[in-house]
Amino acid sequence: EAQVTQNPRYLITVTGKKLTVTCSQNMNHEYMSWYRQDPGLGLRQIYYSMNVEVTDKGDVPEGYKVSRKEKRNFPLILESPSPNQTSLYFCASSREVRNEQFFGPGTRLTVL
Amino acid sequence: KQEVTQIPAALSVPEGENLVLNCSFTDSAIYNLQWFRQDPGKGLTSLLLIQSSQREQTSGRLNASLDKSSGRSTLYIAASQPGDSATYLCAVSPLSGYSTLTFGKGTMLLVSP
Repeated sequence: EAQVTQNPRYLITVTGKKLTVTCSQNMNHEYMSWYRQDPGLGLRQIYYSMNVEVTDKGDVPEGYKVSRKEKRNFPLILESPSPNQTSLYFCASSREVRNEQFFGPGTRLTVL
Repeated sequence: KQEVTQIPAALSVPEGENLVLNCSFTDSAIYNLQWFRQDPGKGLTSLLLIQSSQREQTSGRLNASLDKSSGRSTLYIAASQPGDSATYLCAVSPLSGYSTLTFGKGTMLLVSP
């Protein structure tokens, strides 16, 4: 089944404790991106990747890092999480940058 | 900067009604527009994608139209069912650059039996 998977689905952590949210797609897509969704603010792009080893900032990149060492994986790294990063995070992929986007199931992160 | 607005923010209808959800965008230089459905606590499911050169797309009871020059799109749902209850999001892809989608904040739809 073609899909985008994210892990973990739910995470509660404390301020400053480094964490990684994994994202993987099995569709051989070149383009991958991360979004966060917050009440009243909607979905905003954090980072995106055009292909392996090519990443760039989206609208709200502060406090996040990404890497794209393999085509299928695009992990989101929070080096020192803060409470304002409490949010619902989505990973997405597409064949190319402006093709139909496929979203993962989301990761609900709470930073205490 | 592109802005996407969805009106109304919430809509409640009885089962069986036909309904229209609206999406407007400020910059007409778009490559395509995509409609998504989001169920509570879940991810986004792509419903329809309209290329900028197209006027409409249909899938089952759903029909999406696009008027790029006026910066508007509508999602028409025929014969609504309780299972259609969800939040509907529209998003536009820019004509140039490498970032992807600018999203509206969504319309929360409730279809009552």
